[in-house]
Amino acid sequence: QKEVEQNSGPLSVPEGAIASLNCTYSDRGSQSFFWYRQYSGKSPELIMFIYSNGDKEDGRFTAQLNKASQYVSLLIRDSQPSDSATYLCAVNRREKLTFGTGTRLTIIP
Amino acid sequence: DVKVTQSSRYLVKRTGEKVFLECVQDMDHENMFWYRQDPGLGLRLIYFSYDVKMKEKGDIPEGYSVSREKKERFSLILESASTNQTSMYLCASSPMTGGAGELFFGEGSRLTVL
Repeated sequence: QKEVEQNSGPLSVPEGAIASLNCTYSDRGSQSFFWYRQYSGKSPELIMFIYSNGDKEDGRFTAQLNKASQYVSLLIRDSQPSDSATYLCAVNRREKLTFGTGTRLTIIP
Repeated sequence: DVKVTQSSRYLVKRTGEKVFLECVQDMDHENMFWYRQDPGLGLRLIYFSYDVKMKEKGDIPEGYSVSREKKERFSLILESASTNQTSMYLCASSPMTGGAGELFFGEGSRLTVL
């Protein structure tokens, strides 16, 4: 079992709809969780982090964490073409970040 | 703004050559990391450092070494480059004491080993 798993996609979502990205992790001791966005040819950049169970909202983005089920998700509301990118889930375990392989999201105008 | 600068964007080296990848950050971050990114495999941690002169192995350290002589500079060394080390190398820094939090990445160094 991979330490951090994501569906590689591609995930296609119409403009204006909600994009839902999911991530599961294997280490129950993981304490903090991050979502990075990576545009093609660019480096990853942090968009959200979450430490506690429940939802955390930041503008059009909502991160959701369920430690009992060991999953974390990212919702993007009112999806825009500029949201088309690869989204990387990262989990802090044993003082280092472990990344999933990413989900490629395409927003269709 | 935090700036992480990697010395070379593109390198082409031959098998067996010694390769140095340099990374400098300007925000006085304690933590620095080297990742490689490959299609289908994602970002994998090679080495990291939480302090000057300190280094820790990541998940795939074989064939690599690192040096951190100054707080702002973290170098990745390929002692004898091999074709399976052809990859995108990403340096990152983080301000969180004692662990990785928000990572600030450099622009990456794409290495091709022939």
